Parts: sequence; C-alpha cells; structure tokens
Amino acid sequence: KAGVTQTPRYLIKTRGQQVTLSCSPISGHRSVSWYQQTPGQGLQFLFEYFSETQRNKGNFPGRFSGRQFSNSRSEMNVSTLELGDSALYLCASSKLAGAGDEQFFGPGTRLTVL
Amino acid sequence: DQQVKQNSPSLSVQEGRISILNCDYTNSMFDYFLWYKKYPAEGPTFLISISSIKDKNEDGRFTVFLNKSAKHLSLHIVPSQPGDSAVYFCAANYGGSQGNLIFGKGTKLSVKP
Repeated sequence: KAGVTQTPRYLIKTRGQQVTLSCSPISGHRSVSWYQQTPGQGLQFLFEYFSETQRNKGNFPGRFSGRQFSNSRSEMNVSTLELGDSALYLCASSKLAGAGDEQFFGPGTRLTVL
Repeated sequence: DQQVKQNSPSLSVQEGRISILNCDYTNSMFDYFLWYKKYPAEGPTFLISISSIKDKNEDGRFTVFLNKSAKHLSLHIVPSQPGDSAVYFCAANYGGSQGNLIFGKGTKLSVKP
C-alpha cells in the first residue's frame, strides 16, 4: 500500500511570495494533519482536516491556511512568505482523527525562503 | 510554553546495551503518548504508544513506561542496535476527536557498534 506522498519535495521561494504544498494520504485515510519542523521549535502542529473540515488549528498566523478535498488529498498554503517560514513541512494521515490513532508521515517538503 | 519536553538532545549507547530515552510533560489532560523515530530526509515513523490508563506497553525490543504522578515517560530499547540510530520524538495528544500531536524536540540516539 502506498504511503503518504508530498509534493514538491523541495521548494525555494523569496520573501513575499506565496506557496502551495500538496499531500496525498494513504488510501482510505480520512484525516490529514500538517506539521512544521524547524531546528529551533521542533515539530509544531499546523492544522488537521477530517472529511474536508478543519477540526483543529495550531498557533500559527493566518498566512498559513489549508484545505482538504473530497478524495482526502490536502493542500496547505503560505502567503507573504517570511524568512522564518523556512522549514520542513510534514503531512501525516490517519484513518480517523481520534487520540491514539497512528499517524503516518510523508517525507516532507523542504521549503527555503530567501 | 513547551508541554512535552525531551531534555536530552543526544544519547550515545553501545550496541547490545539498553537505551533509555526520557520525556516529561506538563499537561495532565493528555490521553495518549507516542514515540516516533525519524531518519534524515524521511518523515517520522511511529514506534509505540501508550494510553494514559496504562503504565507499560511493550512491543518487541521497545517498551514504554508511563509515570502519571511524575508526568514522565520513557522509552527503553533492549538490546540497542546500530540501525536504531535516529532522532526519537516523544508526542502526546488529547482524548476525544482531536488528533493533533504535541511533540517534544527530539533526542538523537547514536548506537555504536
């Protein structure tokens, strides 16, 4: 069974631009969560989607947004990029969205903002 | 304020010995605790979890212990193998329908042959 896929794997943008990252969950998984990993802050939760609805949101500014489609694929968007947005963005999927449900992570998208 | 803390950024262990990775948390509302392993250029991989109603869970070479009164959990790997060398993240989440994970900053484990 195919794992979680994320595209693109690497991305370079400049300050002020916007970016869209894509995540395809494991087939049959309905929950998709996004995380940001930086050396200083570690892994931080961005948002969680289940059946096209955002169920939970982390403590990030409104420049970070996301959505989920009917096939469970998800995208996240970052507008007006800042240098501090440089990070590894990880997507994780799970069958449901309950506590303790194992989340399967993709390899991540490495975003560099110049 | 960091709710999940891994105070040791790195740990070095000899092959065949026990590796003990520690994690502390501050939020008594957490219902589940999970350990993930991460290799460079890959996403985290789930290792083992424990519900807050238990104090131990074992899976092969991996055992997680939970001490709720101390708000502390630990992951034991016995025996340690060079392939276990990776960054280990402790994570927690709340009960109910919230699936988001709160991660610690990770401990880099090096197992030397």
